[in-house]
Amino acid sequence: EDQVTQSPEALRLQEGESSSLNCSYTVSGLRGLFWYRQDPGKGPEFLFTLYSAGEEKEKERLKATLTKKESFLHITAPKPEDSATYLCAVTGNYGGSQGNLIFGKGTKLSVKP
Amino acid sequence: DADVTQTPRNRITKTGKRIMLECSQTKGHDRMYWYRQDPGLGLRLIYYSFDVKDINKGEISDGYSVSRQAQAKFSLSLESAIPNQTALYFCATSDLREGPWNEQFFGPGTRLTVL
Repeated sequence: EDQVTQSPEALRLQEGESSSLNCSYTVSGLRGLFWYRQDPGKGPEFLFTLYSAGEEKEKERLKATLTKKESFLHITAPKPEDSATYLCAVTGNYGGSQGNLIFGKGTKLSVKP
Repeated sequence: DADVTQTPRNRITKTGKRIMLECSQTKGHDRMYWYRQDPGLGLRLIYYSFDVKDINKGEISDGYSVSRQAQAKFSLSLESAIPNQTALYFCATSDLREGPWNEQFFGPGTRLTVL
């Protein structure tokens, strides 16, 4: 069964304290792994797409990496405005529904000043 | 202006009522999706459409129906709302021209409460 597991469920950091979020996946023929940021009561905001193992993407204090089994979202020197829920999703070769996303439950990040 | 808009943003209704949630997009994307989000369950796909003539059921389509009125418009209906349909509903789009395995872009969401 295709699935996505994110850990930890919640993470509390002090401002400037770097850390990583994990996304483990099981999917038939990975075609893409996506990271989103979601603020409370708002729609997910697209951050990164990773397509193959070894690929890395960066945006400001965020860096996403991908292996054959998992992805990490590294947060360097976070600020309070980085507080949000971070969602991971995958897409693969699922019969006739190619391109549909399977989402993890997210990691809620809180950064205290 | 937002690329993906949803109306209404908040709705409170009663059990048994018919409800329609609307989604419009100005991104020119072919593919449109409806998701619901519940605490602890994450985002789950209700219906998706790859073009105006193509409608497909997602993971949790029971109790819902959809209409793709135009490339830019995709509506979700709850024929007879029940309390366990209380959730956040999101519309999303993706661009087939960029390939089938590319990112989706989400609207701001509709918070639906069924009493």
